[in-house]
Amino acid sequence: AQTVTQSQPEMSVQEAETVTLSCTYDTSENNYYLFWYKQPPSRQMILVIRQEAYKQQNATENRFSVNFQKAAKSFSLKISDSQLGDTAMYFCAFMGRRDDKIIFGKGTRLHILP
Amino acid sequence: DGGITQSPKYLFRKEGQNVTLSCEQNLNHDAMYWYRQDPGQGLRLIYYSQIVNDFQKGDIAEGYSVSREKKESFPLTVTSAQKNPTAFYLCASSIRAGKDEQYFGPGTRLTVT
Repeated sequence: AQTVTQSQPEMSVQEAETVTLSCTYDTSENNYYLFWYKQPPSRQMILVIRQEAYKQQNATENRFSVNFQKAAKSFSLKISDSQLGDTAMYFCAFMGRRDDKIIFGKGTRLHILP
Repeated sequence: DGGITQSPKYLFRKEGQNVTLSCEQNLNHDAMYWYRQDPGQGLRLIYYSQIVNDFQKGDIAEGYSVSREKKESFPLTVTSAQKNPTAFYLCASSIRAGKDEQYFGPGTRLTVT
């Protein structure tokens, strides 16, 4: 069975700094999707970024980028120039091409300090 | 505006009562999902539906029931058989199950006393 592990339960960084959130996963599949979701204090889940495993290029969305290492089964999220509004719970998620559901990690709580 | 709505935002019930949580989407998505979120547990899948009139159990379906009579609607009933119903419940939808990312509603906080 696929699993998703986020090894950092909680992190704090100063505003404007760069922070990297870690995620590893376990699968025997070759084709799959990976996601990062953000859950701010409002608790609304928001899709931050999506990566397709067959694409070698790392996905980016403005200040958010990923470091996708397929062989190592690692999918970290980098937030550049962090802002107070980035304070949230971040969830890493996996979806196999043969699956019809997403598997979520337990999340990393990120605090951006003024 | 397209999106997913869940109502109400907060719901209170007495133990032993069934309660139904609403989830509606106007995104024309085929697939819909229900998750439960507890502190430190992440999201756990309760039920999902790939298409109208069809649904499958997720990882923690016991004590819950669903229906999918319309494409737009996927209500979740928390029955009295659910031993620890107090939680935050999130509904999501995707264009197709297993092919596309999921989009989430704002959630319902259910408290049972």
